[in-house]
Formats: sequence, structure tokens, C-alpha cells
Amino acid sequence: SQKIEQNSEALNIQEGKTATLTCNYTNYSPAYLQWYRQDPGRGPVFLLLIRENEKEKRKERLKVTFDTTLKQSLFHITASQPADSATYLCALGDDYKLSFGAGTTVTVRA
Amino acid sequence: GAVVSQHPSRVICKSGTSVKIECRSLDFQATTMFWYRQFPKQSLMLMATSNEGSKATYEQGVEKDKFLINHASLTLSTLTVTSAHPEDSSFYICSADRGGTSGGASDEQFFGPGTRLTVL
Repeated sequence: SQKIEQNSEALNIQEGKTATLTCNYTNYSPAYLQWYRQDPGRGPVFLLLIRENEKEKRKERLKVTFDTTLKQSLFHITASQPADSATYLCALGDDYKLSFGAGTTVTVRA
Repeated sequence: GAVVSQHPSRVICKSGTSVKIECRSLDFQATTMFWYRQFPKQSLMLMATSNEGSKATYEQGVEKDKFLINHASLTLSTLTVTSAHPEDSSFYICSADRGGTSGGASDEQFFGPGTRLTVL
């Protein structure tokens, strides 16, 4: 069966450190993978998209890698800030449909 | 740009009543709109995909007669939960796709803020 697994535990880190989140999947062949931020009671906000033929993407303090052999994506938040505290979702894209992981909650301590 | 709104943001209703949720793309025309449901601490689950002027495509296990979707224009889609029951209580989120450069869907969806439905 198809599965998308993100860090099962919440991530608590000190301000200034790097948060690294994982997204592993099985029985999918996504054409692209996206990362979203979701705050409590709100809809997801798009952060980054990486395609199957790309290895790495960066946007400001965010970096995402995509390894289609390992079937894994890593999402990094560098120089983390308390404002980065949220739940981060990975989503696998195939054609126009998205399949989401359950998310990892990140708390950044000042 | 690319703002999607939902109305209402919260609704509480009695069991057996019907509830309508609106999803609007405010500054672009959406060729395709999507409806998701999210239970606490769980992932967003795609319920259905709708294209303007045609019938929605429902995901496996989603009752089309219970969750009525109308995509009447390129900026408005509505989800009606008919005869709602407590197990329908959830967070409903829509998203909109403004289409690829060559027509059809694109790989970028813009999400609304969600609607919290509570059925008593």
C-alpha cells in the first residue's frame, strides 16, 4: 500500500539551530514533491517544490533535497527562529493530485 | 496574488442539517478546485476534484451524494455536506489551481484558510 511518513515525533530545537525534517514514501512515483507550512486552524501555505529530476532546492533559509532512489526528501530550516514554529507537511505530486504526509510539528525555543 | 478564501471559517450545526462551504479564488481564475478533509493530527485527505462546468471526480470512499460539489464558475466552488452527522466534524480545506501554461492543471495549488465544521 502507499505510504508517506514524516518524522513521527515533534521536533524541539533551540533558536539559531538547523531543523531537519524527513519525508519517506513507499509505492509512489511522484513527479514532484512539495513542502508546506501549516499553522493551527489554518490551511497549508506553500514553501518549496522540487521535481523528480532535481536533487536540491533552496529558498532563503529553507533547503529541500529529493532522492528518488531512497524515496526520501529532507527539509532543512537553517538559523531557525521562534516564528518558524509550525507543522510542516510534505506532499507528493502526481499529475495534478497531491498526497500529503501527516506533518511534523516544529517548536523553536528562544 | 493567488489568494483563496473560504466561507464560513467555522460552522456549528445540528445533526441532520446540511451545510454549505464556499471556496473562492479572489485574484485568478481556477481551472480546477480541490476539496480536502483533515482530522486532528492527521494528513489532508483529498475528497474530490472539480472542474468548472463539469461533475466532480470523487476519491475512493467519499460518498458523492453526501458531499455535493458545485463548481459554478472559474472563481467559485461549493461543498455541501448533506444530512451532517457528528462523524462529519472535521476541518475542510479547498485549494485552487490556476492552470498550466499549456492548458490543463498545473503542479501548484493555492489553499484556502479552511472551514471548521462541528456537528452536534
